[in-house]
Amino acid sequence: AAGVIQSPRHLIKEKRETATLKCYPIPRHDTVYWYQQGPGQDPQFLISFYEKMQSDKGSIPDRFSAQQFSDYHSELNMSSLELGDSALYFCASSTQGGTNTGELFFGEGSRLTVL
Amino acid sequence: GQQVMQIPQYQHVQEGEDFTTYCNSSTTLSNIQWYKQRPGGHPVFLIQLVKSGEVKKQKRLTFQFGEAKKNSSLHITATQTTDVGTYFCAGTGKLIFGQGTTLQVKP
Repeated sequence: AAGVIQSPRHLIKEKRETATLKCYPIPRHDTVYWYQQGPGQDPQFLISFYEKMQSDKGSIPDRFSAQQFSDYHSELNMSSLELGDSALYFCASSTQGGTNTGELFFGEGSRLTVL
Repeated sequence: GQQVMQIPQYQHVQEGEDFTTYCNSSTTLSNIQWYKQRPGGHPVFLIQLVKSGEVKKQKRLTFQFGEAKKNSSLHITATQTTDVGTYFCAGTGKLIFGQGTTLQVKP
């Protein structure tokens, strides 16, 4: 079965550079979530999209932006990277958004290292 | 805002012992989900609880949702080495994750 695809799997950037992470949700899933997970930490909710519209916002820095495109894939853009942005970034998709969120299917994650 | 607290943070058990992790929310939850993340892996959905006082079982795992829908627990009976990982609860809406309980099982 198709799963959530994230790319790249690994990314190394210098401070103040920009990075873009991509997420391809499971076909027919209408909701995409982005999470940031630091070492030994729980996944921190960044932002979500339902039917290509931003549905909720969490602890996403102003330096970050995200969008969902017409083909439902999503991109997380990170600018002016800081050392603290080094983390594993997960994308997840589900068939339901809102208060009755369905099961989330997570991708393998994109590991960003900022030097 | 909504906060989800989970205890304990770590638990080391001998294989065959039971294990329980508790999840508490500062607000009433519509429903709660549980995920397991193996070391180096991604969170994998285990279950969703919706009703007040709901109890669900999956083999050796028992999940409970509190009557007030503000707390939940996951109990594993007779742990096995395959149970190793971090167990997260997540309150729905934004899917705010608890800090997780990392389970180590000694064979």
